[in-house]
Amino acid sequence: DQQVKQNSPSLSVQEGRISILNCDYTNSMFDYFLWYKKYPAEGPTFLISISSIKDKNEDGRFTVFLNKSAKHLSLHIVPSQPGDSAVYFCAASAESNYQLIWGAGTKLIIKP
Amino acid sequence: KAGVTQTPRYLIKTRGQQVTLSCSPISGHRSVSWYQQTPGQGLQFLFEYFSETQRNKGNFPGRFSGRQFSNSRSEMNVSTLELGDSALYLCASSWYGASYNEQFFGPGTRLTVL
Repeated sequence: DQQVKQNSPSLSVQEGRISILNCDYTNSMFDYFLWYKKYPAEGPTFLISISSIKDKNEDGRFTVFLNKSAKHLSLHIVPSQPGDSAVYFCAASAESNYQLIWGAGTKLIIKP
Repeated sequence: KAGVTQTPRYLIKTRGQQVTLSCSPISGHRSVSWYQQTPGQGLQFLFEYFSETQRNKGNFPGRFSGRQFSNSRSEMNVSTLELGDSALYLCASSWYGASYNEQFFGPGTRLTVL
């Protein structure tokens, strides 16, 4: 039972345009969400997070949007740069449980 | 500040053997979590240790075990290896736990079971 789903295994975007990565979750107890980026042969690195009391969090070119009623979050990257090419994971947790539940990842390819 | 280190980086074993992987967290971090990553499956949570105690456990068979030492270093052991255990094993450390802080990941140990 996948509680966190990233339905797009890959996404290709032109350099300079907006990249939108999506993530859906099923557990209404989740109250903290994170995005990680992973390059080949490296561990994932933290990108941005959002708690359920917010619906938007911004950090430079990265913005995460949370729609609690739809149980959906998205990561926007504007403008997309070649160095953004990586696998992006979303993860979620519930305060009552320290465990992070991860999506399967979306491979983002930025075309020059 | 040194990052999370994992040893060895690559490992080849045969079915039925056992393996021990090591993780040294960032200095001061008390929580260490272990994950298995296989293609198309994302990261599957194995277990989390905090102050030498297993605080949380994922849905893996008992062949997968771990421990944490007083200096927060952690080891993970897999006994009676199966082909399906071939994966990238990642450990991550944080000050308190995954829910409250960003986790910092090591580069992983790539285990191949033949």
